[in-house]
Amino acid sequence: DQQVKQNSPSLSVQEGRISILNCDYTNSMFDYFLWYKKYPAEGPTFLISISSIKDKNEDGRFTVFLNKSAKHLSLHIVPSQPGDSAVYFCAADASTSGTYKYIFGTGTRLKVLA
Amino acid sequence: GAGVSQSPSNKVTEKGKDVELRCDPISGHTALYWYRQRLGQGLEFLIYFQGNSAPDKSGLPSDRFSAERTGESVSTLTIQRTQQEDSAVYLCASSLASGPRNTEAFFGQGTRLTVV
Repeated sequence: DQQVKQNSPSLSVQEGRISILNCDYTNSMFDYFLWYKKYPAEGPTFLISISSIKDKNEDGRFTVFLNKSAKHLSLHIVPSQPGDSAVYFCAADASTSGTYKYIFGTGTRLKVLA
Repeated sequence: GAGVSQSPSNKVTEKGKDVELRCDPISGHTALYWYRQRLGQGLEFLIYFQGNSAPDKSGLPSDRFSAERTGESVSTLTIQRTQQEDSAVYLCASSLASGPRNTEAFFGQGTRLTVV
């Protein structure tokens, strides 16, 4: 049972335009979310996070929006650049007492076209 | 090195053989995580270490999988009697303190395991 879902396996966007990557979750107890970016043959790297006490977090070109009632978050990249081409993973903090872990989605492959 | 190091980067093994995957976390990182990514799938949590103890082994897929960690250093993930469905990229991550919110987890480049 996939608790974190990224329903779009791939996305192509023209350079300079906005990229919007979506993520849905099923467990309403999740209250902290992260986005990781992964280039081929490299490990994922942390991009941005959001706590459920906020509905938006911004870092430069990257903004994450959280809609708790819809159990949905999205990552906006604007303007998109060719170097943003990578696989983006959404993750939820699924930690319980004494155990720390993320649950990841299946990823969305973003291709930014020059 | 400055980052999380995993070895080997690639491993091809015959079905039924045992394999051992190694992770060298960033020095001083007390928390260490193993994940795997099978083709077309997300990152699947396997096990978490705090120091050299593993409070959560629930993600290990079967009793053929085991992991250990020496102190707050190297961890090895061992898969016995490998099966074709074990083929995946195995990723290790480490972080300074416990809890995903306190500090970022840094991932290694992964070990691509192919069972033939």
